[in-house]
Amino acid sequence: AQKVTQAQTEISVVEKEDVTLDCVYETRDTTYYLFWYKQPPSGELVFLIRRNSFDEQNEISGRYSWNFQKSTSSFNFTITASQVVDSAVYFCALSEGSSASKIIFGSGTRLSIRP
Amino acid sequence: ETGVTQSPTHLIKTRGQQVTLRCSSQSGHNTVSWYQQALGQGPQFIFQYYREEENGRGNFPPRFSGLQFPNYSSELNVNALELDDSALYLCASSLEPSHNEQFFGPGTRLTVL
Repeated sequence: AQKVTQAQTEISVVEKEDVTLDCVYETRDTTYYLFWYKQPPSGELVFLIRRNSFDEQNEISGRYSWNFQKSTSSFNFTITASQVVDSAVYFCALSEGSSASKIIFGSGTRLSIRP
Repeated sequence: ETGVTQSPTHLIKTRGQQVTLRCSSQSGHNTVSWYQQALGQGPQFIFQYYREEENGRGNFPPRFSGLQFPNYSSELNVNALELDDSALYLCASSLEPSHNEQFFGPGTRLTVL
């Protein structure tokens, strides 16, 4: 069975601090994709990254970085030097090779950046 | 903005009524997926349409149905509304029904009284 767990329900940090959002997934497929989405108060989900199961290289995009470790089934997301505009709910998600149409979302982590 | 639009923005219905939500996909996208997001939870997959055919369905009862039109826009219909149907309904479009990036619309907030 496929599952995505985001154990951190809410995180609050002061601006300019670094923050890591955890994501642990479960799947029996050897081919799968992992995603991170941001949902600001407006409600629209914003795509941040997609990573396939055969590519364990970590990725950095500006202040954002992602650490994919198959050995621990984790796909963590770090924001460096956080800013107030980073405040949002962040979702980790999984799509399996056997079911391309469906994306399974975690329950989300609400991130609040205090000035 | 993703180019995916949804209407209406908000909707209030009473239990037992029927509702139709609409979604226009991004230009060039032939695949539309629908999700239900209850308050404080992650989106849950309802179903996907590809070239006017249903292409995968989540764990939702048959009273949740959909359509996709030749221009790839889509409708989500919910019959016999229940209080638990109150949620944000998100539509997402993608180039193909593979693992491509799904572009989400702003959602329709449905309240069932």
